[in-house]
Amino acid sequence: GAGVSQSPSNKVTEKGKDVELRCDPISGHTALYWYRQSLGQGLEFLIYFQGNSAPDKSGLPSDRFSAERTGGSVSTLTIQRTQQEDSAVYLCASSLGQGLMAEQYFGPGTRLTVT
Amino acid sequence: GNSVTQMEGPVTLSEEAFLTINCTYTATGYPSLFWYVQYPGEGLQLLLKATKADDKGSNKGFEATYRKETTSFHLEKGSVQVSDSAVYFCALTAGSARQLTFGSGTQLTVLP
Repeated sequence: GAGVSQSPSNKVTEKGKDVELRCDPISGHTALYWYRQSLGQGLEFLIYFQGNSAPDKSGLPSDRFSAERTGGSVSTLTIQRTQQEDSAVYLCASSLGQGLMAEQYFGPGTRLTVT
Repeated sequence: GNSVTQMEGPVTLSEEAFLTINCTYTATGYPSLFWYVQYPGEGLQLLLKATKADDKGSNKGFEATYRKETTSFHLEKGSVQVSDSAVYFCALTAGSARQLTFGSGTQLTVLP
């Protein structure tokens, strides 16, 4: 079946602009995660959605970052007023259930470059 | 909080050499432990996992044993291949947190 898909694959934007990154999880997966991968910080957790519960936003680095998950499926990560330090690969993952041992399946990522 | 400390890379080996990548962790409660691999140009994928002490995860000739007494989950392979060249990440989930906490990653290059 189809895996996790993300779009766009690459995004170049000017400092100060807003960007939206999209994630389509595996059908039927109730949990969805956003991470980012950057040279300086490695792989960092950003936000987690589980079903209809309130999201865990504890990893968002600033209030310029927000995310939504509509209908328990597609998610959009929005970065407002982008800064150069936001340049990174943004990864989305989904899992079936929320147990500690649940395997997370990762998408190919969106490479964001802020100029 | 949760953290994962991973052996610094890069690691370069000849084909058929023995591989060890060290991983130790600090966690709240009883973690589940994972190794993820990122092949060149590809996304992260789960390599193996272990969910309780003394469990051994294995896949594609790789193994790692959950050692609670030493809080370690070292990755090993007896004979590496060129196709094993990738970045390897040790990770955990623990406590009420469902997100993965990752180590810094280890770049492995296997030469023919």
